[in-house]
Amino acid sequence: ILNVEQSPQSLHVQEGDSTNFTCSFPSSNFYALHWYRWETAKSPEALFVMTLNGDEKKKGRISATLNTKEGYSYLYIKGSQPEDSATYLCAFLDRGSTLGRLYFGRGTQLTVWP
Amino acid sequence: DTAVSQTPKYLVTQMGNDKSIKCEQNLGHDTMYWYKQDSKKFLKIMFSYNNKELIINETVPNRFSPKSPDKAHLNLHINSLELGDSAVYFCASSRRGSSSYNEQFFGPGTRLTVL
Repeated sequence: ILNVEQSPQSLHVQEGDSTNFTCSFPSSNFYALHWYRWETAKSPEALFVMTLNGDEKKKGRISATLNTKEGYSYLYIKGSQPEDSATYLCAFLDRGSTLGRLYFGRGTQLTVWP
Repeated sequence: DTAVSQTPKYLVTQMGNDKSIKCEQNLGHDTMYWYKQDSKKFLKIMFSYNNKELIINETVPNRFSPKSPDKAHLNLHINSLELGDSAVYFCASSRRGSSSYNEQFFGPGTRLTVL
């Protein structure tokens, strides 16, 4: 079983603050790293799929970076809004996995206060 | 159009009963999954089917039996329900292959409550 760690476990910020959190994964056999956004009472939705070392992806105020050599990815939210409140999951895809299984972290729960 | 749908959305039942949850996807994907969300909101994979063939079978009690009649459907049957089975169950689908990197699309979840 591969270890995918996310930190912090939870985060509370004020509206307008910028924030970031971390996903750590095995640096060997890297194939892809996914970020999902999971709002309460809804289902996870893909934000980014990152595959190359040094990748940077952006969607509106949310962006992510990837370092496959050291095994981490950062998710940044600029100018947080209450609607950004959600759990953010990362998931690792191992190159050696012929089954295509994603290994999910436990998520960072973000709460943005108005 | 709903991409991945699950029925029912809520299921309340007594201990010892047998129940099924259905999942359908209209994305043309070839791989489907069942996940269980535990009390700490962690997504634990239970099963995965690729082209109707079981490819992932995690340590799950034998009371849980998945069935995939075709690539677009994956059902989950649970026998002799126990209190500890109460959880939210998510179905997901993906297209295997290098172009998608197994990006998964999730259904809305089925909240199962065993009394």
